[in-house]
Amino acid sequence: QVQLVQSGAEVRKPGASVKVSCKASGYTFMNYGISWVRQAPGQGLEWMGWINTNNGDTNHAQKFQGRVTMTTDTSTSTTYMELRSLRSDDTAVYYCARDREIFGVVIMRFGMDVWGQGTTVIVS
Amino acid sequence: DVVLTQSPLSLPVTLGQPASISCRSSHSLGYSDGNTYLNWFQQRPGQSPRRLLYKVFNRDSGVPDRFSGSGSGTDFTLKISRVEAEDVGVYYCMQGTHWPSFGQGTNLEIK
Repeated sequence: QVQLVQSGAEVRKPGASVKVSCKASGYTFMNYGISWVRQAPGQGLEWMGWINTNNGDTNHAQKFQGRVTMTTDTSTSTTYMELRSLRSDDTAVYYCARDREIFGVVIMRFGMDVWGQGTTVIVS
Repeated sequence: DVVLTQSPLSLPVTLGQPASISCRSSHSLGYSDGNTYLNWFQQRPGQSPRRLLYKVFNRDSGVPDRFSGSGSGTDFTLKISRVEAEDVGVYYCMQGTHWPSFGQGTNLEIK
């Protein structure tokens, strides 16, 4: 079955960086991109950005520009999200989601049909 | 940025009764390909979000037919025909026509 499995919980000090992984299985990895979404404690969902698993192109929400890097390793069907210069308000659950079917140069719009289990990142 | 405004934010419902959630967008969500990329998600307590509906009214696999979606342009609605105990959780609308954004969430609880 289609599945996204994320890495385990992390604790970091302010100013540090964190790198979360998301391993895909059950489908052709390069046929879909991956979005990253976060959820602060007791809050709603916030889109962070998207990566094209074919060529590594990325799009980020403006507020994360310069602080987030998304990469992909097609040999292991894994996507990574690194967030730098962490602050206490980066404490959240970080989710990856399969997003935007890719047909060569045609890329569908955003839909987030399958989600990972979430990775808790605590900055303290 | 596209702002999605959900109402109500809290929705107490009696088991077996219908429920309805509104989602209004600050911009039209119709796309040049003729589709409208408005999706609905359910997040049960302690779980990841799960997509229920995509492109306004299409149910994802395994989603009960008591869930339905409607709307166009800037106004959309999620309806549950008869609420069951397993429907407790927070419901989010999300638009994918522009850079993605989510509504604030509607907390559905049993009265």
